[in-house]
Amino acid sequence: EDQVTQSPEALRLQEGESSSLNCSYTVSGLRGLFWYRQDPGKGPEFLFTLYSAGEEKEKERLKATLTKKESFLHITAPKPEDSATYLCAVQAENYGQNFVFGPGTRLSVLP
Amino acid sequence: DAGVTQSPTHLIKTRGQQVTLRCSPKSGHDTVSWYQQALGQGPQFIFQYYEEEERQRGNFPDRFSGHQFPNYSSELNVNALLLGDSALYLCASSLWRGGGEQFFGPGTRLTVL
Repeated sequence: EDQVTQSPEALRLQEGESSSLNCSYTVSGLRGLFWYRQDPGKGPEFLFTLYSAGEEKEKERLKATLTKKESFLHITAPKPEDSATYLCAVQAENYGQNFVFGPGTRLSVLP
Repeated sequence: DAGVTQSPTHLIKTRGQQVTLRCSPKSGHDTVSWYQQALGQGPQFIFQYYEEEERQRGNFPDRFSGHQFPNYSSELNVNALLLGDSALYLCASSLWRGGGEQFFGPGTRLTVL
C-alpha cells in the first residue's frame, strides 16, 4: 500500500542547534515530493519541490534532499521563528495530481 | 497578486445540517483541490476540479460534493453533517499543466456540534 511517513513526530531544538527531518515514502512512480510548512490554524505554505533522486533545494536555513525512498529537510542554525509543523507530500503516477501527505513533524525551536 | 482565498474562516453547525465552503484560486491557476485536515494529522485529499469537472476523488462519501465555476472558483458542499466532519478544510490551487505545486488557502475551520 502506498504511504508516506515522517519522523520524528515532534522535535525540540535549541536556537542554533541544526537537525534533520525525515520523510519516507512507498509509492509507485514518484512524480514529485513537496515540502510545506504549516503554522497552527493556517494553511500549508509551499517550501520545495523535488522530482528526482539526488536533487537538492535550498532556501535560507532549509535544505531539502531526495533519495529513491526518502527525503530529508535539513535545518541549519534554526531560529524560534522556524517553529512550525513541516509536512511532506508525494504525487505519484497512479494518483493523478493529488497529494498524499505525511502526518507532519512538529518542530519547536527554543530561544 | 492575491493568493488563494477561502470563506468563511470559521463555521459552527449541528449534526444533520448542510454546509457550503468557498474558494478562490490564485490568479492564473485553473485547478482547485480540496483537503480535509483533522487535528494533529496531515491533510487528506477529497477531490479535484479542472474545467468545471471533478477529475479525481479521494476516499470520501457522496455526502461530500463540489463544484467549479467558469472563473475557476470552487465550492465544497457537505450534507448530513457528522461530528467526525469537524476539521480544517483546505483549498489548494494549481496549474493543470504545471509542475505539480499546489498553493493552499488559509482554510475554513468547521465545527460540528
